[in-house]
Amino acid sequence: DAGVTQSPTHLIKTRGQQVTLRCSPISGHKSVSWYQQVLGQGPQFIFQYYEKEERGRGNFPDRFSARQFPNYSSELNVNALLLGDSALYLCASSLGQGAGQPQHFGDGTRLSIL
Amino acid sequence: EDKVVQSPLSLVVHEGDTVTLNCSYEVTNFRSLLWYKQEKKAPTFLFMLTSSGIEKKSGRLSSILDKKELSSILNITATQTGDSAIYLCAVDDLSGTYKYIFGTGTRLKVLA
Repeated sequence: DAGVTQSPTHLIKTRGQQVTLRCSPISGHKSVSWYQQVLGQGPQFIFQYYEKEERGRGNFPDRFSARQFPNYSSELNVNALLLGDSALYLCASSLGQGAGQPQHFGDGTRLSIL
Repeated sequence: EDKVVQSPLSLVVHEGDTVTLNCSYEVTNFRSLLWYKQEKKAPTFLFMLTSSGIEKKSGRLSSILDKKELSSILNITATQTGDSAIYLCAVDDLSGTYKYIFGTGTRLKVLA
């Protein structure tokens, strides 16, 4: 079975631009979460979607937005890019939100801002 | 503020050594603690520990949750070069959002 897939794998943008990252969860998984991982740090929670509704938002500015589609895939959008947005963006999926259902991560999209 | 702290930050050992990685946490409503292994990209799930499952073992890896001390350890015995990775500890907080709070990770390097 395919794991969590993310695209693109790498992306280079300049300050002020906008970017869209994509994620396809494991088949049957209805929950998708997004994390930002800066070099040398653990992943930081950005958003969680379950059944196409936003269920949680981390401490990130409004420049960050996301959505989940009827097929449970998801997009993360970041506007007005800053140098500090350079990071590995990880998507994770899980069956639901209950205990005993760990999140499984994709390989991430490495975003570099010049 | 909820937080997860891991120690040591980095560790260098030789093949065959046994290592113990530590994770302590402060969260409002603890639900579970998870360990992940991150080599180059995707963190790979290792263990989930809850109040009903405080010990887990898989091959040379094992983990214990101490709810009284609000901590967990990850043990790796007979280490191999393939164990070289960043080991991440995360806590699942019951406070509304289904999100993981991660520690900074422990970078383990196993020398041949």
